[in-house]
Amino acid sequence: NFMLTQPHSVSESPGKTVTISCTRSSGSIASSYVQWYQQRPGSSPTTVIYEDNQRPSGVPDRFSGSIDSSSNSASLTISGLKTEDEADYYCQSYDTINRIFGGGTKLTVL
Amino acid sequence: QVQLVESGGGVVQPGGSLRLSCAASGFTFRTYGMHWVRQAPGKGLEWVAFIHYNGDKKYYADSVKGRFTISRDNSKNMLDLQMNSLRAEDTAVYYCAAGIEWFDYWGQGTLVTVSS
Repeated sequence: NFMLTQPHSVSESPGKTVTISCTRSSGSIASSYVQWYQQRPGSSPTTVIYEDNQRPSGVPDRFSGSIDSSSNSASLTISGLKTEDEADYYCQSYDTINRIFGGGTKLTVL
Repeated sequence: QVQLVESGGGVVQPGGSLRLSCAASGFTFRTYGMHWVRQAPGKGLEWVAFIHYNGDKKYYADSVKGRFTISRDNSKNMLDLQMNSLRAEDTAVYYCAAGIEWFDYWGQGTLVTVSS
């Protein structure tokens, strides 16, 4: 199994842009798709990015995803930050059997 | 709209058993793989188990292998998780989720507390 490592927390001001990283411990980041989930306090997770960089319908284009093979990592970028973006964000990928989550990043918008 | 409604959570003693259920509606349940994902209090998400759309493949996290059993009834649009030999570290909110390699839809979760 591989692991996905995220920063524990990030903070930024409204209107700014923030990027959350997700580094894969072994195997290529490109070998399986990366998803990103948003979880607001007291709520279930919702998908904001799937298949590395695809947005589900209803997710604003302020949210974007990418992967970087040189650093073996994925990134979630949120531009034009709003207070409503304050939440926990989890990256997720998979191998043949396991579905693997990163430890989560708490985004504070202050 | 899509709904996944979990039930069956509660307080159970260490070593005990509990059966969770998830009622699905608003999508073609029989064509979706289904998962259980859990979240311990104040902690991150942990994938628990997966069952293929027709039930012929089942996968488990190492932490629950041999203790938990996932099953489904496509005629009733229901997903179950039988949890045996429960431990304190199984205390969590348990979510059912639809998808294969990832999670398209999530339920609201049901809390399982393992405590004496």
